[in-house]
Amino acid sequence: EIVLTQSPGTLSLSPGERATLSCRASQSVTSNYLAWYQQKPGQAPRLLIYGASSGATGIPDRFSGSGSGTDFTLTISRLEPEDFAVYYCQQYGSSPYTFGQGTKLEIK
Amino acid sequence: EVQLVESGGGLVKPGGSLRLSCAASGFTFSSYNMNWVRQAPGKGLEWVSSITSGSIYMYYADSVRGRFTISRDDAQNSLFLQMNSLRAEDTALYYCARQFGGYLNWGQGTLVTVSP
Repeated sequence: EIVLTQSPGTLSLSPGERATLSCRASQSVTSNYLAWYQQKPGQAPRLLIYGASSGATGIPDRFSGSGSGTDFTLTISRLEPEDFAVYYCQQYGSSPYTFGQGTKLEIK
Repeated sequence: EVQLVESGGGLVKPGGSLRLSCAASGFTFSSYNMNWVRQAPGKGLEWVSSITSGSIYMYYADSVRGRFTISRDDAQNSLFLQMNSLRAEDTALYYCARQFGGYLNWGQGTLVTVSP
């Protein structure tokens, strides 16, 4: 099983700042099948990034993904008020298709 | 518009069974891999099970293998999760999700509570 470890657990930033979230895998992710999701309270998750670096339909271009193998990053270039939420990474390359534990992005 | 609507959740005693359903619309259901993901109250996301298009392969998390069965009815555009031998730790909001480069579309979830 691939274990995904996200860091930091909580990130406190202000609107307009840049956010960098990390997701590290215990072994290489098959074909870089790594996705990032945003979840707000009371809502279902929303797909942001798939294939490590491809933006999902309708996602603002301030969200970008990078990385390969075992180290992946989600970057939000300039935080908007609506970006404060919990973010999860997931690998969907090899079963079991595990999620990271999440990073909470909170307003400073 | 893609829609996924889960149903079948509820309160059940430990050892009991439930069958969750997910009604899909707005896309060619038979062409996509489908998935169940759960979220315990106040906790993170946990992948539960996946089924490929054509029901060729089914995959399960270790925590549910042998107790849960995923299936689909392409004629009815529906996804199912049969849950047996339920435990307190299965208490969660269960989401169905369509896979398209990651889990692109999600339902709003159905709540399963396992309690005496």
